[in-house]
Amino acid sequence: DTEVTQTPKHLVMGMTNKKSLKCEQHMGHRAMYWYKQKAKKPPELMFVYSYEKLSINESVPSRFSPECPNSSLLNLHLHALQPEDSALYLCASSQGLANEKLFFGSGTQLSVL
Amino acid sequence: GESVGLHLPTLSVQEGDNSIINCAYSNSASDYFIWYKQESGKGPQFIIDIRSNMDKRQGQRVTVLLNKTVKHLSLQIAATQPGDSAVYFCAENIQGAQKLVFGQGTRLTINP
Repeated sequence: DTEVTQTPKHLVMGMTNKKSLKCEQHMGHRAMYWYKQKAKKPPELMFVYSYEKLSINESVPSRFSPECPNSSLLNLHLHALQPEDSALYLCASSQGLANEKLFFGSGTQLSVL
Repeated sequence: GESVGLHLPTLSVQEGDNSIINCAYSNSASDYFIWYKQESGKGPQFIIDIRSNMDKRQGQRVTVLLNKTVKHLSLQIAATQPGDSAVYFCAENIQGAQKLVFGQGTRLTINP
């Protein structure tokens, strides 16, 4: 199994809503990532988890809250988002942290109204 | 067909021709580089990678060239096919930072 699975594929939420994005991998990878991608732009790193511990937070606003319940799962909890947070949110995983290729899911297309 | 620099976002080539997509990376401390392909509605898909101790690596129909002197990376696709239409991103791993940073991307369009 070489897949990273993300749910939901599409999400529409209001600015007062609370929602969560989910990501799962069964490749035994020990590093997991959240990236944000705006239209026609490259993916931008948000968070990195290594061995279920947060190792990198790229100064992401606190309305985005990551969680890594176990080595296979990664969540991104959303609260009080702004319309400018609308984007494709990509989850990725890699075997390790250094010089490893990342495997990406198909993403969750988020629209904040 | 060939793209030049990071500021040409689109490359159009005839089906069957070879494509060359270029990327100028920013950090001389980067030690690992990856090319990704992203089709509409999908996440980036790994194509090929290269470490800084190499200057060329070949895969199936693809070749990556690395010139560390001028901090330049290129992706060559042989005999371009309609299925190659996508946005191509180069990405660099900055040594010590343990994170992958993406370049701006090039949209490859195949003309029949």
